[in-house]
Amino acid sequence: ETGVTQSPTHLIKTRGQQVTLRCSSQSGHNTVSWYQQALGQGPQFIFQYYREEENGRGNFPPRFSGLQFPNYSSELNVNALELDDSALYLCASSLDRGLGETQYFGPGTRLLVL
Amino acid sequence: AQSVTQLDSQVPVFEEAPVELRCNYSSSVSVYLFWYVQYPNQGLQLLLKYLSGSTLVKGINGFEAEFNKSQTSFHLRKPSVHISDTAEYFCAVSGANFGNEKLTFGTGTRLTIIP
Repeated sequence: ETGVTQSPTHLIKTRGQQVTLRCSSQSGHNTVSWYQQALGQGPQFIFQYYREEENGRGNFPPRFSGLQFPNYSSELNVNALELDDSALYLCASSLDRGLGETQYFGPGTRLLVL
Repeated sequence: AQSVTQLDSQVPVFEEAPVELRCNYSSSVSVYLFWYVQYPNQGLQLLLKYLSGSTLVKGINGFEAEFNKSQTSFHLRKPSVHISDTAEYFCAVSGANFGNEKLTFGTGTRLTIIP
């Protein structure tokens, strides 16, 4: 069983640009969640996708969007980057959207916005 | 909505000594509770979780946690720590009903093991 992978590992962008981060979930996992972890903070929930549909969203503006594909891959897109978007972005997959499901995290993509 | 407080941002402990990492939560609904560990340059890994049943939960790597509903706490313990336990530990809570199932994390506790 392969783990959750993310690409790229590091990324540098400038303010106003757009970025796409990618995640490959564990095979068979129908649910993927994305988190933003600022330096020295815990992860904050951005949104969750279940079977390619958004299934819950945290307090993030619409310029944060996502996609989930049938092949267990997913994307996080951020438009009009701001300096405060600099953070570690984590994706986590789970078998289903059931309550109390264990989420399996990838190593993250570290984004720096200059 | 749920929230988590981890009062200790850093905890230094001598090797082979016991450790307790504190976690308190707030919620208006029943909750599920989790402890995750994050090693340097890695993602988070589940240590243990409480869903229901026995309030004492045993996890991986010798860790255990006790759910205390009256004190709204879920403290993590290990009787004897090792150098390899050096990491960041996150407590997380989710509501036990649909509509509140997203994970809310605390700010983390950095555990440093002193040889």
